[in-house]
Amino acid sequence: DAGITQSPRYKITETGRQVTLMCHQTWSHSYMFWYRQDLGHGLRLIYYSAAADITDKGEVPDGYVVSRSKTENFPLTLESATRSQTSVYFCASSEPGLGNYGYTFGSGTRLTVV
Amino acid sequence: AQSVSQHNHHVILSEAASLELGCNYSYGGTVNLFWYVQYPGQHLQLLLKYFSGDPLVKGIKGFEAEFIKSKFSFNLRKPSVQWSDTAEYFCAVTSGTYKYIFGTGTRLKVLA
Repeated sequence: DAGITQSPRYKITETGRQVTLMCHQTWSHSYMFWYRQDLGHGLRLIYYSAAADITDKGEVPDGYVVSRSKTENFPLTLESATRSQTSVYFCASSEPGLGNYGYTFGSGTRLTVV
Repeated sequence: AQSVSQHNHHVILSEAASLELGCNYSYGGTVNLFWYVQYPGQHLQLLLKYFSGDPLVKGIKGFEAEFIKSKFSFNLRKPSVQWSDTAEYFCAVTSGTYKYIFGTGTRLKVLA
Protein backbone atom coordinates (compact mmCIF):
# COMPACT_ATOMS: atom_id res chain seq x y z
CA ASP A 1 0.00 0.00 0.00
CA ALA A 2 1.40 3.39 -0.94
CA GLY A 3 1.96 5.90 1.81
CA ILE A 4 4.26 6.69 4.68
CA THR A 5 5.34 3.86 6.92
CA GLN A 6 6.89 4.49 10.29
CA SER A 7 8.54 1.79 12.35
CA PRO A 8 8.42 0.74 15.05
CA ARG A 9 4.95 1.86 16.22
CA TYR A 10 6.00 1.56 19.84
CA LYS A 11 9.45 1.55 21.39
CA ILE A 12 10.73 1.47 24.94
CA THR A 13 14.41 2.19 25.43
CA GLU A 14 16.75 2.99 28.27
CA THR A 15 18.43 6.29 28.94
CA GLY A 16 21.72 6.55 27.09
CA ARG A 17 20.92 4.07 24.38
CA GLN A 18 20.91 4.90 20.70
CA VAL A 19 17.63 4.35 18.93
CA THR A 20 16.61 4.86 15.31
CA LEU A 21 13.10 5.55 14.11
CA MET A 22 12.41 4.65 10.52
CA CYS A 23 10.32 6.49 7.96
CA HIS A 24 9.66 5.23 4.45
CA GLN A 25 7.49 6.85 1.78
CA THR A 26 6.43 5.41 -1.54
CA TRP A 27 5.50 8.60 -3.39
CA SER A 28 9.01 9.93 -4.07
CA HIS A 29 8.04 13.18 -2.41
CA SER A 30 10.96 15.59 -2.26
CA TYR A 31 10.33 16.96 1.22
CA MET A 32 10.30 14.90 4.39
CA PHE A 33 9.91 16.02 7.98
CA TRP A 34 10.20 14.75 11.51
CA TYR A 35 7.98 16.19 14.22
CA ARG A 36 7.56 15.36 17.85
CA GLN A 37 4.21 15.73 19.55
CA ASP A 38 4.05 16.58 23.23
CA LEU A 39 1.14 17.63 25.40
CA GLY A 40 0.98 21.38 25.61
CA HIS A 41 3.47 21.89 22.81
CA GLY A 42 1.61 20.56 19.81
CA LEU A 43 3.91 19.46 17.02
CA ARG A 44 7.45 20.73 16.86
CA LEU A 45 9.74 20.28 13.89
CA ILE A 46 12.93 18.37 14.62
CA TYR A 47 14.54 18.09 11.19
CA TYR A 48 13.49 18.29 7.60
CA SER A 49 14.91 17.36 4.24
CA ALA A 50 14.31 18.99 0.86
CA ALA A 51 15.86 16.14 -1.15
CA ALA A 52 18.27 13.25 -0.84
CA ASP A 53 21.45 14.34 0.96
CA ILE A 54 19.91 17.70 1.94
CA THR A 55 18.80 18.07 5.53
CA ASP A 56 18.29 21.00 7.86
CA LYS A 57 17.44 21.68 11.48
CA GLY A 58 14.01 22.52 12.69
CA GLU A 59 12.89 23.98 15.97
CA VAL A 60 14.15 21.25 18.35
CA PRO A 61 17.09 19.38 16.74
CA ASP A 62 19.33 18.85 19.77
CA GLY A 63 19.99 15.19 20.54
CA TYR A 64 18.79 14.00 17.14
CA VAL A 65 20.53 13.05 13.92
CA VAL A 66 18.98 12.43 10.50
CA SER A 67 20.18 11.18 7.16
CA ARG A 68 18.64 10.90 3.74
CA SER A 69 20.74 8.82 1.42
CA LYS A 70 17.66 7.79 -0.57
CA THR A 71 14.60 9.88 -1.41
CA GLU A 72 12.21 7.38 0.13
CA ASN A 73 13.87 6.95 3.54
CA PHE A 74 14.38 9.48 6.31
CA PRO A 75 15.54 7.81 9.53
CA LEU A 76 15.73 9.72 12.80
CA THR A 77 18.37 8.69 15.34
CA LEU A 78 18.50 9.58 18.99
CA GLU A 79 22.21 9.34 19.70
CA SER A 80 21.89 8.94 23.47
CA ALA A 81 18.26 8.84 24.52
CA THR A 82 17.06 10.97 27.41
CA ARG A 83 13.76 10.91 29.29
CA SER A 84 12.88 14.29 27.79
CA GLN A 85 12.79 12.59 24.40
CA THR A 86 9.82 10.47 25.45
CA SER A 87 7.26 11.56 22.89
CA VAL A 88 5.24 10.61 19.86
CA TYR A 89 7.23 11.09 16.67
CA PHE A 90 5.58 11.77 13.33
CA CYS A 91 7.16 11.64 9.93
CA ALA A 92 5.59 13.57 7.06
CA SER A 93 6.24 14.16 3.39
CA SER A 94 5.29 16.79 0.81
CA GLU A 95 5.89 17.43 -2.86
CA PRO A 96 6.49 20.93 -4.26
CA GLY A 97 5.07 19.99 -7.64
CA LEU A 98 1.64 19.53 -6.11
CA GLY A 99 1.60 23.24 -5.39
CA ASN A 100 -0.41 22.97 -2.24
CA TYR A 101 2.16 22.45 0.52
CA GLY A 102 -0.02 19.74 2.00
CA TYR A 103 1.64 17.23 4.25
CA THR A 104 0.95 13.54 4.47
CA PHE A 105 1.70 12.10 7.88
CA GLY A 106 2.76 8.66 8.99
CA SER A 107 1.02 6.84 11.83
CA GLY A 108 3.61 7.83 14.39
CA THR A 109 6.07 6.12 16.72
CA ARG A 110 5.43 6.28 20.44
CA LEU A 111 8.83 6.32 22.14
CA THR A 112 9.28 5.89 25.87
CA VAL A 113 12.70 6.45 27.42
CA VAL A 114 13.05 4.91 30.87
CA ALA B 1 9.24 34.67 14.59
CA GLN B 2 6.09 33.14 13.27
CA SER B 3 3.70 31.66 15.80
CA VAL B 4 0.27 30.10 15.87
CA SER B 5 -2.08 30.40 18.82
CA GLN B 6 -4.97 28.15 19.59
CA HIS B 7 -6.53 29.61 22.69
CA ASN B 8 -9.00 26.82 23.40
CA HIS B 9 -7.02 23.89 24.73
CA HIS B 10 -10.00 21.75 25.69
CA VAL B 11 -13.55 22.01 24.44
CA ILE B 12 -16.47 19.85 25.53
CA LEU B 13 -19.71 19.96 23.58
CA SER B 14 -22.89 17.98 23.36
CA GLU B 15 -23.90 16.39 20.08
CA ALA B 16 -25.62 18.80 17.68
CA ALA B 17 -23.96 21.83 19.28
CA SER B 18 -22.13 24.28 17.07
CA LEU B 19 -18.35 24.41 17.11
CA GLU B 20 -15.89 27.21 16.63
CA LEU B 21 -12.19 26.74 17.33
CA GLY B 22 -9.96 29.77 17.27
CA CYS B 23 -6.65 30.07 15.45
CA ASN B 24 -4.53 33.20 15.27
CA TYR B 25 -1.15 33.55 13.65
CA SER B 26 1.56 36.13 13.69
CA TYR B 27 3.02 36.77 10.27
CA GLY B 28 2.56 39.82 8.11
CA GLY B 29 3.12 38.35 4.68
CA THR B 30 1.28 35.89 2.49
CA VAL B 31 0.35 32.73 4.34
CA ASN B 32 -1.08 29.34 3.65
CA LEU B 33 -3.34 28.04 6.39
CA PHE B 34 -4.40 24.55 7.36
CA TRP B 35 -6.49 22.66 9.83
CA TYR B 36 -5.57 19.09 10.66
CA VAL B 37 -7.48 16.58 12.75
CA GLN B 38 -6.04 13.76 14.81
CA TYR B 39 -8.48 11.09 15.94
CA PRO B 40 -7.50 9.11 19.02
CA GLY B 41 -4.52 6.89 18.29
CA GLN B 42 -4.23 8.02 14.69
CA HIS B 43 -2.04 10.28 12.60
CA LEU B 44 -2.90 13.79 11.49
CA GLN B 45 -5.25 14.18 8.56
CA LEU B 46 -5.90 17.31 6.53
CA LEU B 47 -9.32 18.84 7.16
CA LEU B 48 -9.05 21.90 4.97
CA LYS B 49 -6.62 24.45 3.63
CA TYR B 50 -6.54 28.03 2.42
CA PHE B 51 -4.13 29.48 -0.13
CA SER B 52 -5.99 32.29 -1.84
CA GLY B 53 -9.40 33.34 -3.15
CA ASP B 54 -12.62 32.87 -1.23
CA PRO B 55 -11.78 33.32 2.46
CA LEU B 56 -14.48 30.85 3.44
CA VAL B 57 -13.06 27.40 2.90
CA LYS B 58 -15.04 24.19 3.07
CA GLY B 59 -13.37 20.96 4.08
CA ILE B 60 -14.27 17.38 4.73
CA LYS B 61 -16.89 16.11 7.17
CA GLY B 62 -18.87 19.35 7.19
CA PHE B 63 -16.07 21.55 8.55
CA GLU B 64 -15.36 25.02 7.26
CA ALA B 65 -12.96 27.80 8.16
CA GLU B 66 -12.88 31.51 7.54
CA PHE B 67 -9.71 33.45 6.86
CA ILE B 68 -9.93 37.00 8.22
CA LYS B 69 -6.75 38.72 7.16
CA SER B 70 -7.29 41.83 9.25
CA LYS B 71 -7.57 39.70 12.37
CA PHE B 72 -4.83 37.22 11.44
CA SER B 73 -7.34 34.49 12.15
CA PHE B 74 -8.43 31.23 10.60
CA ASN B 75 -11.18 29.84 12.81
CA LEU B 76 -12.63 26.39 12.29
CA ARG B 77 -16.39 25.89 12.43
CA LYS B 78 -18.97 23.16 12.21
CA PRO B 79 -22.71 23.83 12.59
CA SER B 80 -23.55 20.56 14.34
CA VAL B 81 -20.92 18.29 15.88
CA GLN B 82 -21.17 14.54 16.21
CA TRP B 83 -19.67 12.17 18.74
CA SER B 84 -17.28 11.00 16.00
CA ASP B 85 -15.77 14.49 15.86
CA THR B 86 -14.04 13.82 19.17
CA ALA B 87 -10.41 14.44 18.29
CA GLU B 88 -7.57 16.90 18.57
CA TYR B 89 -7.50 19.73 16.07
CA PHE B 90 -4.39 21.54 14.94
CA CYS B 91 -4.08 24.79 13.08
CA ALA B 92 -0.93 25.26 10.98
CA VAL B 93 0.61 28.07 8.99
CA THR B 94 3.28 28.22 6.36
CA SER B 95 4.56 31.32 4.64
CA GLY B 96 5.47 29.83 1.32
CA THR B 97 8.03 27.36 2.58
CA TYR B 98 7.55 23.73 3.35
CA LYS B 99 7.89 24.14 7.10
CA TYR B 100 4.67 24.31 8.99
CA ILE B 101 4.26 26.14 12.25
CA PHE B 102 1.66 24.25 14.28
CA GLY B 103 -0.54 25.49 17.06
CA THR B 104 -0.59 23.58 20.32
CA GLY B 105 -3.86 21.89 19.44
CA THR B 106 -7.41 21.86 20.78
CA ARG B 107 -8.86 18.70 22.25
CA LEU B 108 -12.53 18.40 21.43
CA LYS B 109 -14.75 15.99 23.29
CA VAL B 110 -18.29 15.53 22.06
CA LEU B 111 -20.73 14.00 24.50
CA ALA B 112 -23.30 11.62 23.07
